[in-house]
Amino acid sequence: QSVLTQPPSASGTPGQRVTISCSGSRSNIGSNAVNWYQQLPGTAPKLLIYSNDQRPSGVPDRFSGSKSGTSASLAISGLQSEDEADYYCAAWDDSLNAVLFGGGTKLTVL
Amino acid sequence: EVQLLESGGGLLQPGGSLRLSCTASGFIFSRLAMHWVRQAPGKGLEWVSGISGYGESTFYADSVKGRFTISRDNSENTVYLQMNSLRAEDTAVYYCAKGHYGSASSVSNFDHWGQGTLVSVSS
Repeated sequence: QSVLTQPPSASGTPGQRVTISCSGSRSNIGSNAVNWYQQLPGTAPKLLIYSNDQRPSGVPDRFSGSKSGTSASLAISGLQSEDEADYYCAAWDDSLNAVLFGGGTKLTVL
Repeated sequence: EVQLLESGGGLLQPGGSLRLSCTASGFIFSRLAMHWVRQAPGKGLEWVSGISGYGESTFYADSVKGRFTISRDNSENTVYLQMNSLRAEDTAVYYCAKGHYGSASSVSNFDHWGQGTLVSVSS
């Protein structure tokens, strides 16, 4: 059971905007940066958003992140078929002295 | 170009031991923390362990504490995961991941990942 809570699934049609939430607590999201990872089917995860809202080079600006209090969100605008993947949030937890991942959200492009 | 190459996975019985290796290239290895993250079949990501750039600090998930040991050899650009007392629930693909900073704590920013090595624990 993940301490960071994500919806198990999300969906949208091409061109739509979808958001994926990640809920935590004061000891993790409330105190540390949130990072988001994208895992395409059969591949290793890839860093998508770091430090709450920063995009690594090469990540399209359709992807954006935000954080408020003990929650964070990933938004994908102009949804494309190649965005179909699993998305994970992650944050350090000060109480556990460990990295926590959310349970993951499977995004389906209809 | 950053490359991370894991090796050492395999099939073994419960109670057994295994050592995973991850050899890195394309960056100054000793300056950056390294981590292991695993993914059980059909499941999500689970962080396993992290080690600081010079190896002075190590961190573990509660699920592996006391059974797994992370270490690194900066002269060989390699990070290891010694896994003892293996259980069926340790069955997973184990990924090596590069940290963005020298410290392994207070961060969860893994900017490069290897392709993973499969560990199967079954009787």
